[in-house]
Amino acid sequence: SAVISQKPSRDICQRGTSLTIQCQVDSQVTMMFWYRQQPGQSLTLIATANQGSEATYESGFVIDKFPISRPNLTFSTLTVSNMSPEDSSIYLCSVARSTSNYGYTFGSGTRLTVV
Amino acid sequence: GQNIDQPTEMTATEGAIVQINCTYQTSGFNGLFWYQQHAGEAPTFLSYNVLDGLEEKGRFSSFLSRSKGYSYLLLKELQMKDSASYLCAPKGDSNYQLIWGAGTKLIIKP
Repeated sequence: SAVISQKPSRDICQRGTSLTIQCQVDSQVTMMFWYRQQPGQSLTLIATANQGSEATYESGFVIDKFPISRPNLTFSTLTVSNMSPEDSSIYLCSVARSTSNYGYTFGSGTRLTVV
Repeated sequence: GQNIDQPTEMTATEGAIVQINCTYQTSGFNGLFWYQQHAGEAPTFLSYNVLDGLEEKGRFSSFLSRSKGYSYLLLKELQMKDSASYLCAPKGDSNYQLIWGAGTKLIIKP
């Protein structure tokens, strides 16, 4: 399965600032996904990032708040903009590959606390 | 609509067997995954079922009945390290997007 390096692993940020989370995959993948997980809650899909096109956002998430870059087939970033305490969560990137029946491999996650 | 239903929490004893059930309603079906997630960590893949029946992998087995919209994860010879959340995640119409349940928190007691 793919190996994903995600950073930072955690951060404490001031209200109103922005944080960019990076994910590097050890091989080329077509689709990358960005998730948010509140404590004790299910995974919530933020957006799907395809190389060479704009990300596709799920209901309740907008590009101005969560801009995503996908410059090549091994890398993606998610920015959490103008943060508020409600953005405190774990953010996860993941990839799906045909060799694993499109099951997901996840990055190690970014634990974000906004104060 | 799409819906996943699994128990919120279960408790079992070290060395015992536990079955975690999942019922689902999806628009279309392209297989079902089970993931394990330890507290503060990312989910990791456990099993995949696309046809009816039982898939066995060591101490873990997963069962699927497509006609009933039902799956279960069976854990044998429970160990303390099995304390984690277990996520049921079917694929609906999309071959790429998984639909995530809230997960079952499994507590193992000595």
